[in-house]
Amino acid sequence: LAKTTQPISMDSYEGQEVNITCSHNNIATNDYITWYQQFPSQGPRFIIQGYKTKVTNEVASLFIPADRKSSTLSLPRVSLSDTAVYYCLVVSSSSASKIIFGSGTRLSIRP
Amino acid sequence: EAQVTQNPRYLITVTGKKLTVTCSQNMNHEYMSWYRQDPGLGLRQIYYSMNVEVTDKGDVPEGYKVSRKEKRNFPLILESPSPNQTSLYFCASSFLSGNSYNEQFFGPGTRLTVL
Repeated sequence: LAKTTQPISMDSYEGQEVNITCSHNNIATNDYITWYQQFPSQGPRFIIQGYKTKVTNEVASLFIPADRKSSTLSLPRVSLSDTAVYYCLVVSSSSASKIIFGSGTRLSIRP
Repeated sequence: EAQVTQNPRYLITVTGKKLTVTCSQNMNHEYMSWYRQDPGLGLRQIYYSMNVEVTDKGDVPEGYKVSRKEKRNFPLILESPSPNQTSLYFCASSFLSGNSYNEQFFGPGTRLTVL
């Protein structure tokens, strides 16, 4: 499994767009990228998943460049309730091997 | 309601006293997994299971056992708990597509303290 690297923490303000970048230099052809959100003392919650280019859902967008060595989670117009830890994972589409979460990015949103 | 449940939610015990944390899901998921979370270390996978009677080690399996006798249940067993197993534990489940898992659904967590 490819190791991921994310910033330890980020700060932003309500109403801003927040972009969290994840590096995964050793991503394999069959791997895809998944992002989870975790609030204190709760289990992580799936946000978005993608293989290449751009994926968008009702809460976020995921941008993956052609070389797939990095990805960017974009949260539009954040609010205080978006304060959480965000995890980037690389998972294999061909085998359900062990999953590595990493330490995540602690996002703090200020009024 | 589709959910993953864990019991107990909180447990304080003493070193060496065997304990079991139960995990159950009602979504007919094939894949189930246990994680522990410690400050500054994110989530680390303990064990996972792709189906009944199929289990495998994650990143930190030492000191833990699991079993998968039924599809819906995946208990975590600590035969002889030690203080370094004090942690927040999460169970998760997902469907499998071919050999790969999909979005994982997490339980509410079990906070374990071993004195």
